[in-house]
Amino acid sequence: SYELTQPPSVSVSPGQTASITCSGDKLGDRYACWYQQKPGQSPVLVIYQDSKRPSGIPERFSGSNSGNTATLIISGTQAMDEADYYCQAWDSSTGVFGGGTKLTVL
Amino acid sequence: EVQLVETGGGLIQPGGSLRLSCAVSGFIVSSNYMTWVRQAPGKGLEWVSIIYSGSSADYADSVKGRFTISRDNSKNTLYLQMNSLKAEDTAVYFCARVGSGGWYFDSWGQGTLVTVSS
Repeated sequence: SYELTQPPSVSVSPGQTASITCSGDKLGDRYACWYQQKPGQSPVLVIYQDSKRPSGIPERFSGSNSGNTATLIISGTQAMDEADYYCQAWDSSTGVFGGGTKLTVL
Repeated sequence: EVQLVETGGGLIQPGGSLRLSCAVSGFIVSSNYMTWVRQAPGKGLEWVSIIYSGSSADYADSVKGRFTISRDNSKNTLYLQMNSLKAEDTAVYFCARVGSGGWYFDSWGQGTLVTVSS
């Protein structure tokens, strides 16, 4: 079965750039998307189709996808961005999530 | 305003059945692909099922043959019938809308907790 691998945790200082990776076999050949989930809340879509931002998502969120790796980039990270982030893709009509990355802003 | 509200969760014994509902407002369920995603306590997100146009659907291997996704267009509601429940099915279950471009989930409900335990 298809797997997506994320680092369990990433730390970043306020105002700096955070990068969260998501790795999967030939992931660049399919669309990847990203969700933000804060404690006790439902996930929120922050990036879809590799690099598109839904309305209402700040411009500091961006994404890319090439080769075997999709990357979520948060520029000028703010304290409110501290959350769990999940990548997601599809394989043979099956949805697949990465294991999630806890972003700590300190 | 788009709103998805899940109900039907609760405590159920292993081997039992439960039906989750997802009442939708702000868009038409029958015109969209819809999906269920679950999250075990303290764990990550796990995709469960998707329903396409009509009644065709796909399932995660972990629930195939036990869960059935469906919708009632007259009630604008999505369902997940869960049979032969196991302890490992314990999770918060979210319903979500599949985005118009496909293959991403752009609106989510608040989730309903299913606990499978004796």
